[in-house]
Amino acid sequence: GEEVAQTPKHLVRGEGQKAKLYCAPIKGHSYVFWYQQVLKNEFKFLISFQNENVFDETGMPKERFSAKCLPNSPCSLEIQATKLEDSAVYFCASSQSSTEAFFGQGTRLTVV
Amino acid sequence: EDQVTQSPEALRLQEGESSSLNCSYTVSGLRGLFWYRQDPGKGPEFLFTLYSAGEEKEKERLKATLTKKESFLHITAPKPEDSATYLCAVQTWGKLIFGQGTELSVKP
Repeated sequence: GEEVAQTPKHLVRGEGQKAKLYCAPIKGHSYVFWYQQVLKNEFKFLISFQNENVFDETGMPKERFSAKCLPNSPCSLEIQATKLEDSAVYFCASSQSSTEAFFGQGTRLTVV
Repeated sequence: EDQVTQSPEALRLQEGESSSLNCSYTVSGLRGLFWYRQDPGKGPEFLFTLYSAGEEKEKERLKATLTKKESFLHITAPKPEDSATYLCAVQTWGKLIFGQGTELSVKP
């Protein structure tokens, strides 16, 4: 597709439940990035992929967060045992190389 | 430590009043500097990429410039529809590092 597609748009989970978010990058883009926006303008880097390989995972809280980008499937970000502080908007972006990175519209996760 | 700082945090302009937004950065291995616009409830919308000091890019009322330590986003004769949060990000090897953004409000 011509835009980064994120699903679902909204997700509500009880504390301790699992949350799974999906991202379909722009066709032909080999890099995928995940970001967490908690406060209004604060973007926290989580993880990046080059095709199906993890490129940089320095931002991932590894004990509960995991992510995958498998061939012919949307990329996914999974949070096991969600906590209240996981409430945020999660953005996915894709890029062709070290050029423009295009963002999706985000998934708003609310943990109650 | 890699860091991106934007100023001011908020800017209120009258329609037609030109101004500039600043993005200063300290990163190792800069691969590009990006400007984005973000409207409430939306994802960041790509505006520009700058790669080397001295580079400039323009789009409508916006012009982005880059030096070795900072970038400016100049807004000429802004209109109310330019109201948004403007984000600066630098790309290092595997990620984009974002500044805190400048919230621009343009009053008619």
